[in-house]
Amino acid sequence: AQSVAQPEDQVNVAEGNPLTVKCTYSVSGNPYLFWYVQYPNRGLQFLLKYITGDNLVKGSYGFEAEFNKSQTSFHLKKPSALVSDSALYFCAVRDPRGSTLGRLYFGRGTQLTVWP
Amino acid sequence: DGGITQSPKYLFRKEGQNVTLSCEQNLNHDAMYWYRQDPGQGLRLIYYSQIVNDFQKGDIAEGYSVSREKKESFPLTVTSAQKNPTAFYLCASSPTTGGRANYGYTFGSGTRLTVV
Repeated sequence: AQSVAQPEDQVNVAEGNPLTVKCTYSVSGNPYLFWYVQYPNRGLQFLLKYITGDNLVKGSYGFEAEFNKSQTSFHLKKPSALVSDSALYFCAVRDPRGSTLGRLYFGRGTQLTVWP
Repeated sequence: DGGITQSPKYLFRKEGQNVTLSCEQNLNHDAMYWYRQDPGQGLRLIYYSQIVNDFQKGDIAEGYSVSREKKESFPLTVTSAQKNPTAFYLCASSPTTGGRANYGYTFGSGTRLTVV
């Protein structure tokens, strides 16, 4: 079965400090991994994805994520947080060999709050 | 610009009434999805469709119905059988797999349904 876990419901960080939003996954094959961000009353926006290749993936707005196969993790990071980064973040996984016809499985989301 | 449009943005319904949420995309995507979002519960899949005239139940299909008569359109009907319909509804689309599993979803901006 495919699943994603985001172990923290909330992450709080001071502006200018580094931030990490955690994600672990479970799939039977090699995963395709995604991060999305959601601002209040809006749809989800794509941040970045890991498909293959370099384990460190760079995305929009200065975010990056590190794929760790041995730990089955795909943590989202940013070296210096901004107040405007405050939002709800979702991790998602797809097993490209799965029978669910391309469905993405989402974590429950992590609310990031950056304090000025 | 290509995109996915949900309408209306806000919708109020009296108890016992059916209501239909619109989702239209001009991205030429084969697959479309409906999610329900409640605070603290992440995204829950209601229905999805990989091709015109075909769709599958997701994890919480009871009380909902869909149709896929055109590639561009995937309307969701919230029926009176849905016991707690007040929520934020998100529509998404993506290319199907078969060499394109590295694509994620494109989301609409959502419809907030309130039962009064």
